[in-house]
This record gives sequence, C-alpha cells and structure tokens, in this order.
Amino acid sequence: GEDVEQSLFLSVREGDSSVINCTYTDSSSTYLYWYKQEPGAGLQLLTYIFSNMDMKQDQRLTVLLNKKDKHLSLRIADTQTGDSAIYFCAESPRSNDYKLSFGAGTTVTVRA
Amino acid sequence: EAQVTQNPRYLITVTGKKLTVTCSQNMNHEYMSWYRQDPGLGLRQIYYSMNVEVTDKGDVPEGYKVSRKEKRNFPLILESPSPNQTSLYFCASSLNSVTGELFFGEGSRLTVL
Repeated sequence: GEDVEQSLFLSVREGDSSVINCTYTDSSSTYLYWYKQEPGAGLQLLTYIFSNMDMKQDQRLTVLLNKKDKHLSLRIADTQTGDSAIYFCAESPRSNDYKLSFGAGTTVTVRA
Repeated sequence: EAQVTQNPRYLITVTGKKLTVTCSQNMNHEYMSWYRQDPGLGLRQIYYSMNVEVTDKGDVPEGYKVSRKEKRNFPLILESPSPNQTSLYFCASSLNSVTGELFFGEGSRLTVL
C-alpha cells in the first residue's frame, strides 16, 4: 500500500539478528502490525504494537515504534531458517477500524 | 479447527467468463475482507464486510462484487474477469474489526487469459 513502505528484500546469516524497517504516513494509527507469510500460505499475525507504546518484546521478537518519524521496526534475534518468509507491516488508522493498510512486504532470506 | 477456507485454490480462466471465489469461516467472526496480492504492491483491500448485509469498498474494488448473506460466507465475484485481475487473492476474517487479529485463508491463485 502506498501509505506503508518497506524495503523489499533482506538477506541474513543464520544466527544473526534481522531488522526489518517500515515507515507509515497516518499519524493517527492506533495499532501497527507485523504479519508473516510463509511460502504458499496465508498471512499470520506475528506481533502488534499499540500506538502509545515505544517498544514491545516477545521472545525473539522486538518491535520498536518511533512515532515522531513514523517508523516501525521488527528485530528478530538469532534468526533461523524457519524465519525465511515475507514480512508485512500494516497500520490501522484511527478513522476506520475496518481498513488495514499493508506495505509491499519484505522478503527475508536466511542463509546458512 | 478454526479456519478460513477459500475455493478454488487455483483457477485459470478466460476473459469475460464470470467466476466466484468462495470464502467461509467457522469462527463466528463478524468482520471479513478480501485482498489481492501482487508483486511489489503487497496486499490491497478489495472489499470488506462488517457484518451480515453490510459491505464497503476497499482500495481496489473495480471489477469485483461481494455479498454477505450469511455470517460465515463472503464470496468474491468477478462478473467479467480481465487479465489485470490475474493475482493471488486472500480472504480474511476477524472477530469484529481489523484491530483484532486477522485470520487469513490460504489464498486463491487466479489467472485470466
């Protein structure tokens, strides 16, 4: 979606950390999400952050939100081959609880 | 098992031949939505439904129709498909809005010749 931007590709070595970045335009967004799409499958919710938070940690995942710069990032610690997938950033604007705008997706490739 | 089921998973058709992609969820969700996924563009919302008989346009509704006669079903109708509708289509549902977790179907890959 044009309102959410992500880089398209990321290659990372197994065991290293991955950082996927996203910028969004709607400053009124209430929630920001990370969805994961494995090959041949639909999307699954990975994690989300509420707009009044700066950081959220969940096991190997760390989400950072910089509201001033409208920048969201997802860090995956100790990246494994099973983390190879497309990761989508998405925002839910305050004005509409029924619309979710997705970025183009970042394809993460984990190499041995 | 809680799931969103789409059919068909794969379809090759010709320009102008009407087709319907079905979507069914067994979670009693109020909200359902259709997306199309194209390389470099990510997911774009086609239509969504807040509840039975309540639907609204997403970002790319042209050439598509939907209906929501029952809570569990949300079919996507292409009255006269064209090659630019060749895409991967996803149906999704959630309890009552996008602020909750969206559950996705496995996708329907459509090719229009």
